[in-house]
Amino acid sequence: DTGVSQDPRHKITKRGQNVTFRCDPISEHNRLYWYRQTLGQGPEFLTYFQNEAQLEKSRLLSDRFSAERPKGSFSTLEIQRTEQGDSAMYLCASSPYLSGGSYNEQFFGPGTRLTVL
Amino acid sequence: GNSVTQMEGPVTLSEEAFLTINCTYTATGYPSLFWYVQYPGEGLQLLLKATKADDKGSNKGFEATYRKETTSFHLEKGSVQVSDSAVYFCALSDRVGDAGNNRKLIWGLGTSLAVNP
Repeated sequence: DTGVSQDPRHKITKRGQNVTFRCDPISEHNRLYWYRQTLGQGPEFLTYFQNEAQLEKSRLLSDRFSAERPKGSFSTLEIQRTEQGDSAMYLCASSPYLSGGSYNEQFFGPGTRLTVL
Repeated sequence: GNSVTQMEGPVTLSEEAFLTINCTYTATGYPSLFWYVQYPGEGLQLLLKATKADDKGSNKGFEATYRKETTSFHLEKGSVQVSDSAVYFCALSDRVGDAGNNRKLIWGLGTSLAVNP
């Protein structure tokens, strides 16, 4: 059973560098979410894909952030010109589409911990 | 906007003690409510959920009842074990985009639970 995987698990970078994270959802799930979690806080929604379409972006996602999901499979989240305030755990989740339901469980990956020095 | 307020931790209990973690919410409409758990070093896992008023979610001895009149979803367990030591998050589903049944999660801050033998 392969759940949601994220790579890398940890990333340390210097301020101003670009970083890219990858998320591989559960294979039959067509919905994919990115959240950010800082220490002592709950996760905050960043963006959402249904298949390859990005349907919503949080205002937390500045112009330095971009996410893609080519072909509706894996997704990447890129942060350009990183700042110390970007240090956080970046979480990816996926869920299936089940007709008639108002909510389908989101399955989370282990996260990528970013440290910006 | 919609929000979740969760009691602050950390909570420290002895094994077999009774657990309550309070959660209240503010929402328009009728969101679904969730408790997620994060064990040390692991990703977020759905613990239980309730999709409408008066529903009771239960799993692994934990229970929570969706109380619309008090806008609450308190987590309870009658007898905690050391293995229940984790961070517990209360969350509600919020609509993504303008239509359809796409949902994102709005999270509380999390409550850390430590159970001593």
